Amino acid sequence: EADIYQTPRYLVIGTGKKITLECSQTMGHDKMYWYQQDPGMELHLIHYSYGVNSTEKGDLSSESTVSRIRTEHFPLTLESARPSHTSQYLCASSEWGSGGSYNEQFFGPGTRLTVL
Amino acid sequence: GENVEQHPSTLSVQEGDSAVIKCTYSDSASNYFPWYKQELGKRPQLIIDIRSNVGEKKDQRIAVTLNKTAKHFSLHITETQPEDSAVYFCAASWDYNKLIFGAGTRLAVHP
Repeated sequence: EADIYQTPRYLVIGTGKKITLECSQTMGHDKMYWYQQDPGMELHLIHYSYGVNSTEKGDLSSESTVSRIRTEHFPLTLESARPSHTSQYLCASSEWGSGGSYNEQFFGPGTRLTVL
Repeated sequence: GENVEQHPSTLSVQEGDSAVIKCTYSDSASNYFPWYKQELGKRPQLIIDIRSNVGEKKDQRIAVTLNKTAKHFSLHITETQPEDSAVYFCAASWDYNKLIFGAGTRLAVHP
């Protein structure tokens, strides 16, 4: 079934650790996004990608980095986690619209990160 | 950059009543306005969207209206049901990629 998958779903780690949050989609979409969201609160775009080897920073400054080596995979990395990084991270994807039109963003289930 | 304000932050209605959530945006170049519903512990899901060349769009019990002059758009839910209880987010976009979200409205529908 076509979907967006995120692992791990929950992660509790200590300060200073390097972590990678995984996001994979089997929907064949070119565009992928990372959002940061405190539970039930506003979604903030932190990274997005139009396709392989394309990455852009979003509107919310983030110390995380992303890569897009394969169309279906868009991992997010924190080199040194801090308590201020505690949040939920949501991955999303969408396809190119015909004539540059918009298409729905589909969200993954999220990773809830807690940094002690 | 684009800024989206959403009101109210919480809304409580009785089952069967209507609910209205309003959003304003700052960038007059914005031309796409989706609404997402996020149930507790679940991922956001698109429920309806509208493009700037349309003033109103309906889908069964939900509708969205857009006033480009005033730069605001609204979500209307009629005949509310307990399963409508969720957080609703409006968003705006001026390009074909980035969505700027409002802060969300927590809707509670009481039986």
